[in-house]
Amino acid sequence: GQNIDQPTEMTATEGAIVQINCTYQTSGFNGLFWYQQHAGEAPTFLSYNVLDGLEEKGRFSSFLSRSKGYSYLLLKELQMKDSASYLCAVMDSNYQLIWGAGTKLIIKP
Amino acid sequence: IAGITQAPTSQILAAGRRMTLRCTQDMRHNAMYWYRQDLGLGLRLIHYSNTAGTTGKGEVPDGYSVSRANTDDFPLTLASAVPSQTSVYFCASSPTGEGSTGELFFGEGSRLTVL
Repeated sequence: GQNIDQPTEMTATEGAIVQINCTYQTSGFNGLFWYQQHAGEAPTFLSYNVLDGLEEKGRFSSFLSRSKGYSYLLLKELQMKDSASYLCAVMDSNYQLIWGAGTKLIIKP
Repeated sequence: IAGITQAPTSQILAAGRRMTLRCTQDMRHNAMYWYRQDLGLGLRLIHYSNTAGTTGKGEVPDGYSVSRANTDDFPLTLASAVPSQTSVYFCASSPTGEGSTGELFFGEGSRLTVL
């Protein structure tokens, strides 16, 4: 079956760096997405990786290794507003998105 | 620009009743989706539509139906609601075609409680 694994919850300190990991097993691969979802709100797009390597976008970076079925989202200079759930999703060979359950990130002052 | 709009935002419904969740987008995206989100689970696809006039079943289609009469609207109907359909429902759309990554744009969600 298809599976996306990410930690359920993580805690980090304001101003620090945190890395949220995502491992996947899917039938085919057509890209990996990270979304941010604040409590009670809709998910919003953060990043897309289809080739191996690091994609940087401001304080957020996303890394992909297709051979290892692995990605991570790196958040730098954490702010209180970064407290949210972070969803990892993989597009399979049928161009359908397979979603992880999300990682709840708690930022402490 | 409204983007993607869902209605109602919240609803309490008696079991056995029929309910339609509305979804409208003004971005002229070809593809539209309905997901449900339950605590501890990833987003699960209910139905999708790749273009106006076509629909397809997702991972959890039972008890739900959709229609896509035009590009903008993609309503989700629960013919006879059951308590297990208590969830938050998200409608989403995405552009398709060359250069598109498949990024989804989500509505604000509809919180449905079936008693």
